[in-house]
Amino acid sequence: DTEVTQTPKHLVMGMTNKKSLKCEQHMGHRAMYWYKQKAKKPPELMFVYSYEKLSINESVPSRFSPECPNSSLLNLHLHALQPEDSALYLCASSQVGSNSYEQYFGPGTRLTVT
Amino acid sequence: EDQVTQSPEALRLQEGESSSLNCSYTVSGLRGLFWYRQDPGKGPEFLFTLYSAGEEKEKERLKATLTKKESFLHITAPKPEDSATYLCAVAGQAGTALIFGKGTTLSVSS
Repeated sequence: DTEVTQTPKHLVMGMTNKKSLKCEQHMGHRAMYWYKQKAKKPPELMFVYSYEKLSINESVPSRFSPECPNSSLLNLHLHALQPEDSALYLCASSQVGSNSYEQYFGPGTRLTVT
Repeated sequence: EDQVTQSPEALRLQEGESSSLNCSYTVSGLRGLFWYRQDPGKGPEFLFTLYSAGEEKEKERLKATLTKKESFLHITAPKPEDSATYLCAVAGQAGTALIFGKGTTLSVSS
């Protein structure tokens, strides 16, 4: 099973709202990622968790707050977003500490900030 | 600086017209080159991993090859359902962070 699930599929939020994106995988992967993707652009790395610890933060604004409650779950908490934050948010997972670095992506959450 | 360049940006083919997509890369210590397929509004779907020059992988109408400087994704007798954006990515010395190219958008018409 190479499935990564994400909820919700679509989210519309105002600039003063607080919402969360959720991601789950059951492949036994110990690295999980958040990406942001704008139209006609490649995915842009935001955060990396390795063994449930934040290992990479690509200078993402503090209005995005990641959380990794356990090895299967990854959340992205959103607060006071701007319209330019509207994008497809992708979660991915991969193995750690092996020669296999391929990442498996979820279907994404389409976020619209109004 | 690690870098991935894909060409062409867009490719239009007739059904059955074979062609190739190119991915040129510059990376310190290649730990893997990856091909993904992405349909509009969906997450990238993993296709292949290539680790060393000379390696080839096949899946249905797709064949990926790797040299020391570039990778090709060959599409044989494509069908309209092969229409998608194909992304190439590499993992370098840092390992976990993938470096993506901008993708090639393939359109196959019947």
